[in-house]
Amino acid sequence: AQSVSQHNHHVILSEAASLELGCNYSYGGTVNLFWYVQYPGQHLQLLLKYFSGDPLVKGIKGFEAEFIKSKFSFNLRKPSVQWSDTAEYFCAVTPPGNAGNMLTFGGGTRLMVKP
Amino acid sequence: AAGVIQSPRHLIKEKRETATLKCYPIPRHDTVYWYQQGPGQDPQFLISFYEKMQSDKGSIPDRFSAQQFSDYHSELNMSSLELGDSALYFCASSLLKEGQETQYFGPGTRLLVL
Repeated sequence: AQSVSQHNHHVILSEAASLELGCNYSYGGTVNLFWYVQYPGQHLQLLLKYFSGDPLVKGIKGFEAEFIKSKFSFNLRKPSVQWSDTAEYFCAVTPPGNAGNMLTFGGGTRLMVKP
Repeated sequence: AAGVIQSPRHLIKEKRETATLKCYPIPRHDTVYWYQQGPGQDPQFLISFYEKMQSDKGSIPDRFSAQQFSDYHSELNMSSLELGDSALYFCASSLLKEGQETQYFGPGTRLLVL
């Protein structure tokens, strides 16, 4: 079974600071990787995803993530955060190929950006 | 673009009552998923359906059942509700295309059991 860990549970940054959220997964095969964002009181929104190809993927709102296979990592980055990025961020994985495969989520990282 | 629709958005029930949550997937999506998110927790997978057949099963209690109908909408039936069932219930939908699928989440149903 796959598992996902997010190293930082809470991160506090000032506006314009750079962001990197760690995500490591454990799975004995190919995985599809995702980052979702959950703004306060809202549902999960897809930020970006990786299936194959270029390991550096760009998502919405200036976010990007890099898949490093040798490290089983899929860290999320943003060069300059804004107050509106305050939210909880979830890394998630699923095995590819079959419909209906569950997403396994990391524990989430709660980001607070100070204006 | 059309999104996943869930109803109701909020629901208050008492212990031992039953509840039915509904999910309408994005048009043309053939797979639906149900997740439960407790306060301060990450979403936990309950169950999924592909083409109206159960596809994957997670930590869904025996008191819960679900199904996907011919129009691809899904219902999660919850019986003998317990206080611990209070949570946000998300539905997601996807379309498997060339071995890849992305789950898109609905706004959730917030269930409070008193």
